Amino acid sequence: GAVVSQHPSWVICKSGTSVKIECRSLDFQATTMFWYRQFPKQSLMLMATSNEGSKATYEQGVEKDKFLINHASLTLSTLTVTSAHPEDSSFYICSGLPRTSGSNEQFFGPGTRLTVL
Amino acid sequence: DAKTTQPPSMDCAEGRAANLPCNHSTISGNEYVYWYRQIHSQGPQYIIHGLKNNETNEMASLIITEDRKSSTLILPHATLRDTAVYYCIVRVGYNFNKFYFGSGTKLNVKP
Repeated sequence: GAVVSQHPSWVICKSGTSVKIECRSLDFQATTMFWYRQFPKQSLMLMATSNEGSKATYEQGVEKDKFLINHASLTLSTLTVTSAHPEDSSFYICSGLPRTSGSNEQFFGPGTRLTVL
Repeated sequence: DAKTTQPPSMDCAEGRAANLPCNHSTISGNEYVYWYRQIHSQGPQYIIHGLKNNETNEMASLIITEDRKSSTLILPHATLRDTAVYYCIVRVGYNFNKFYFGSGTKLNVKP
């Protein structure tokens, strides 16, 4: 159980375009989802916390107008990278926190590799 | 900000136990220690977590020192498929849901 999917698994886009990444919890309801970014050979960096039905909260240094997050339902959160540039190329990973989790264990998606040309 | 420190890499022979240490000297009384691993280009996979007591599941054992300032993840019989980056995470006390990843330990299991 506790499976999280991401779509697409990889995407290549031109500089200046916007890209949307979906994160779905397949077998649980997630009141909270998290978005991380990971550059090559580095650790995961928390970008933002997404709560169902409310605005996302962003970590310091993450531009909220560039990384738009929507968490419209208990099973879906989306991350839109607006006006993407080559420096936004990265591995984006989401995780979901089950609504009924007493231990606050996060379940991670497989990641989306974004390449901006 | 990550509250843990781990060695950058470790080697282990296949079939032997892998013992991965983690220091979390500033941990608070109500903060859990979590272990995840990440195999290349995949999302992190949950391994185990604990608060005070030692824990064991089908994947691993977690040994937490009495003062809670450090812990050790034990993979009892490492296989080549256990080669991954292992992250020790302390859940931030004032915001129980957030995980801040440290740099992790790259475990290399060798035949």
